[in-house]
Amino acid sequence: AQSVTQLDSHVSVSEGTPVLLRCNYSSSYSPSLFWYVQHPNKGLQLLLKYTSAATLVKGINGFEAEFKKSETSFHLTKPSAHMSDAAEYFCVVSGAGFQKLVFGTGTRLLVSP
Amino acid sequence: GAVVSQHPSWVICKSGTSVKIECRSLDFQATTMFWYRQFPKQSLMLMATSNEGSKATYEQGVEKDKFLINHASLTLSTLTVTSAHPEDSSFYICSAEQVLTEAFFGQGTRLTVV
Repeated sequence: AQSVTQLDSHVSVSEGTPVLLRCNYSSSYSPSLFWYVQHPNKGLQLLLKYTSAATLVKGINGFEAEFKKSETSFHLTKPSAHMSDAAEYFCVVSGAGFQKLVFGTGTRLLVSP
Repeated sequence: GAVVSQHPSWVICKSGTSVKIECRSLDFQATTMFWYRQFPKQSLMLMATSNEGSKATYEQGVEKDKFLINHASLTLSTLTVTSAHPEDSSFYICSAEQVLTEAFFGQGTRLTVV
């Protein structure tokens, strides 16, 4: 069985400061991992994905994540937060063929001026 | 990236009526479509998986007769909430994928049952 744990339900940062959203996963085989962003009452947009290639994955809007097998982590980072980054972020794991995505509980990112 | 269109984006219906939500892949053929439900301030919960031309596979605890899913073509899947009740009010999101590609999500449908 696969699962993801997002360690923080809320993260607050100031505009221009770094962002760190934490995610740990559990999988009985090599997982595919994703980060999605959801703005209020909107669908989900893929930020980045890891599929057993490079462990450091660069995504859209300046986000990146590093797959660390030894720590079973896939934390999302951004060097400098922007006001438009305020949204809900989901860490997601899937098995082979991208079937059956399993979502974390989400982290709400708040960005203050 | 590929586009998935979900319609309507919001709907209000009376208790006891049925509501149909459409999910279309606009520029690709989706071998599999998924339906999720999201309660306020919670994560997405997979309701069912549908493959074109076959019956949907429902997750444990999801009522098949309550949430009817039809995947009639490679570009269209529908979710019908039958005899809706206030507790069915939620945000419903579909996703579509081709074989061995990522899932692309619709913009979601906010259902309110009054």
